[in-house]
Amino acid sequence: EAGVTQFPSHSVIEKGQTVTLRCDPISGHDNLYWYRRVMGKEIKFLLHFVKESKQDESGMPNNRFLAERTGGTYSTLKVQPAELEDSGVYFCASSRLMGPGGNYEQYFGPGTRLTVT
Amino acid sequence: QQQVKQSPQSLIVQKGGISIINCAYENTAFDYFPWYQQFPGKGPALLIAIRPDVSEKKEGRFTISFNKSAKQFSLHIMDSQPGDSATYFCAASYSGANNLFFGTGTRLTVIP
Repeated sequence: EAGVTQFPSHSVIEKGQTVTLRCDPISGHDNLYWYRRVMGKEIKFLLHFVKESKQDESGMPNNRFLAERTGGTYSTLKVQPAELEDSGVYFCASSRLMGPGGNYEQYFGPGTRLTVT
Repeated sequence: QQQVKQSPQSLIVQKGGISIINCAYENTAFDYFPWYQQFPGKGPALLIAIRPDVSEKKEGRFTISFNKSAKQFSLHIMDSQPGDSATYFCAASYSGANNLFFGTGTRLTVIP
């Protein structure tokens, strides 16, 4: 089966511009996660969708970040306007729907490297 | 506040040697501890995971050791190979949680 795909692989934008990242999860995976890794730091959770609903967006840094998952398939993460501190690698992951007390493996995409200059 | 602390930041091991990466956590609610392996240009991929009801889990050359009382867990790579050169992340979560809490990663280099 195809893995998680992300587009673009790299993006270089100027401060104040807008960027939209896209994630296509594994087919049939209802859970979709966004994470970010700033250079040298840990991979940090941003938010979680179950199908088209935002389940948890406690990790979103501020209201310049907007995530959507229309129709419960692919997801987009928009940064508007971008700031220098938004630079990093943005990962998307997907997993099957969890049962009670379960932790299903999260499959990660290759990431989008965002550079804000 | 970082939930999972990982060390070392980088590690160089001779081929055939043992690679050891350590992690520590504070949240006693964590009950799922996966290790992810990431190669350049790829996303992290699950390598091995453990739950705190066992103290050790082994899969091939990879072993997780878990110390619940010390709130520490480690990854041991036996007979390390150049193909093991990658970045390794420990992580933690709890049952039913949405997200994983990652360590900062260890860049492992295995030299022939």
